[in-house]
Amino acid sequence: KNQVEQSPQSLIILEGKNCTLQCNYTVSPFSNLRWYKQDTGRGPVSLTIMTFSENTKSNGRYTATLDADTKQSSLHITASQLSDSASYICVVSDRGSTLGRLYFGRGTQLTVWP
Amino acid sequence: EADIYQTPRYLVIGTGKKITLECSQTMGHDKMYWYQQDPGMELHLIHYSYGVNSTEKGDLSSESTVSRIRTEHFPLTLESARPSHTSQYLCASSETPGTGELFFGEGSRLTVL
Repeated sequence: KNQVEQSPQSLIILEGKNCTLQCNYTVSPFSNLRWYKQDTGRGPVSLTIMTFSENTKSNGRYTATLDADTKQSSLHITASQLSDSASYICVVSDRGSTLGRLYFGRGTQLTVWP
Repeated sequence: EADIYQTPRYLVIGTGKKITLECSQTMGHDKMYWYQQDPGMELHLIHYSYGVNSTEKGDLSSESTVSRIRTEHFPLTLESARPSHTSQYLCASSETPGTGELFFGEGSRLTVL
């Protein structure tokens, strides 16, 4: 069964600290893996997209890594800010259809305290 | 900033009412989607469209219907709302060809009393 599991479910850190969010998937075949940031009550916004051949991609203070062999990805946030408080969603796309079906994780709820 | 808009952002209605959630995008994307999201849960695809006059049901069974008469417009309709329809509805679009990156609207929070 194709699944995307994220950990931890929730995380609280102090402003200025770093943190790492995890995503494990069993989706096969694999096309790409995306990380989205979703502020409370808003729509998700794309942070990174990585294909099979990419093992790291950065977007400002956000760095995503991908290990396609172990089917794991992580999202590292450096020098956290209050505005980083949000849900971070891992999404994996397969190659099994024209649509490129997407499998969503439940997200990690990050809270940054001052 | 993504140019995809949803209205209304919030809607509270009584059981049995007909509602339409509007979604418009100005990016010229062929593919559009409707997702349903409950608190703490993953997004579930309920409808999608490859282009004008194309609509398909998604993974999650839904009593809602959609139409795609114009490229930029993808409204979702519930003929008779029930409390079980209370949820967050997210519209998205993606370009073809491309990375398949989804651009989401801000969402419509529906509460049925």
